[in-house]
Formats: sequence, structure tokens, C-alpha cells
Amino acid sequence: GQQLNQSPQSMFIQEGEDVSMNCTSSSIFNTWLWYKQDPGEGPVLLIALYKAGELTSNGRLTAQFGITRKDSFLNISASIPSDVGIYFCVVREGNQFYFGTGTSLTVIP
Amino acid sequence: GAGVSQSPSNKVTEKGKDVELRCDPISGHTALYWYRQSLGQGLEFLIYFQGNSAPDKSGLPSDRFSAERTGGSVSTLTIQRTQQEDSAVYLCASSYYNEQFFGPGTRLTVL
Repeated sequence: GQQLNQSPQSMFIQEGEDVSMNCTSSSIFNTWLWYKQDPGEGPVLLIALYKAGELTSNGRLTAQFGITRKDSFLNISASIPSDVGIYFCVVREGNQFYFGTGTSLTVIP
Repeated sequence: GAGVSQSPSNKVTEKGKDVELRCDPISGHTALYWYRQSLGQGLEFLIYFQGNSAPDKSGLPSDRFSAERTGGSVSTLTIQRTQQEDSAVYLCASSYYNEQFFGPGTRLTVL
């Protein structure tokens, strides 16, 4: 499988703070996706990126597809308690989806 | 709404027993994936079905694991002679184009 390096592994932040996490690969991918997994649930798609250099927002979330097609970052602005969960970067190659190791986010009220 | 459903939600079994996990995908989704997620880990790909094509079984960890998909809809993942290292959450996803829709998972505990 493909190796996706996701960092940081975990984050503990105060409510209201901004969050940034990123994902890098040694290979080029043409589709980057960001998913969030709540405890006891399956992952849910947050943002999909299809074009190198693309910057896409979804509410308080902003994600960018790196120009080299080997990286992506996800920013969350003004964090709230319900942002708690595990965030995964995902790349698509053919019919396969490869998941990063995840960033666990804890928001302290 | 009709999302992906999985059953059972929890399964506790004894080492050596066989288990069957079920996935009901979203109607009309031709692609179906099974993943395994160990505690605090990412998702490990197991098997992929696309329409009537032969499944991609490249992620199955051993021949104790098998899966089938009947009528292009419901899928069953079978683990024979379970071992303690099989304990994990098994997630199913169905897909249309680039987005995967996940079920809530089955938490398997092998004692």
C-alpha cells in the first residue's frame, strides 16, 4: 500500500483556537480527500481536492492540494468542542483509497 | 436517509470460532469496500467489489478471511477460526465516484 505521513499524530487545543494538520506522500496523487471520524462511527468526507494548487473551504474548514501533488493540509478555524475526532487524509489511486494514520484532535472547552 | 448499515454492531466470540459480518451498502452504489481498523490506527484495506467484476482481495491478511457480495448489493465478510489479533473494528464503505460512505462498523472482540 501507499505510505501517507500525517502530522501531528495528536493535538490538544483550547476552544476557539485554529488548527492545522498536514499530510505528505512520496508519490503523486491526483485526488486528495480529508475525512473525519467521530468516536464509534465510520469516517465522513469533509473536503475533496481534485486539482493541484486547489484551495477549498467548507465552513470553518479549509484544505489545499499541494502544487507538487504530494501533499495537502487541512485547517480548522475557531475550533469548537464538536470538532473532536480523528482526521484522516486519504488519496485515491485507481479504485483504491489509502488512508493516513490520522490526527487525533481534542478540544478543551 | 438510507446510509450504509452494518450488523452486528458488536460481536464477541471465542478464539477458533467463525464469524460473519454483514454490510448493506447504499442502493445504487456499485463499489463496496471492507476495511479493518485496530484501536487508534488508520484503516487497513481488506477487499473491494466493483459491480460484477472479480473482487480485489489483495488486502485480505490470510486465507481465514473471505467475503462475498450477493446480487451486487449486500456483502458478508467471514472470518474463520478467529484469532485474538483479529479483534478490531471492521468498516464497510460503498462508493459512488470519488466519495466513500462508511457504515458505523462492527466491533469484533475475540476472547
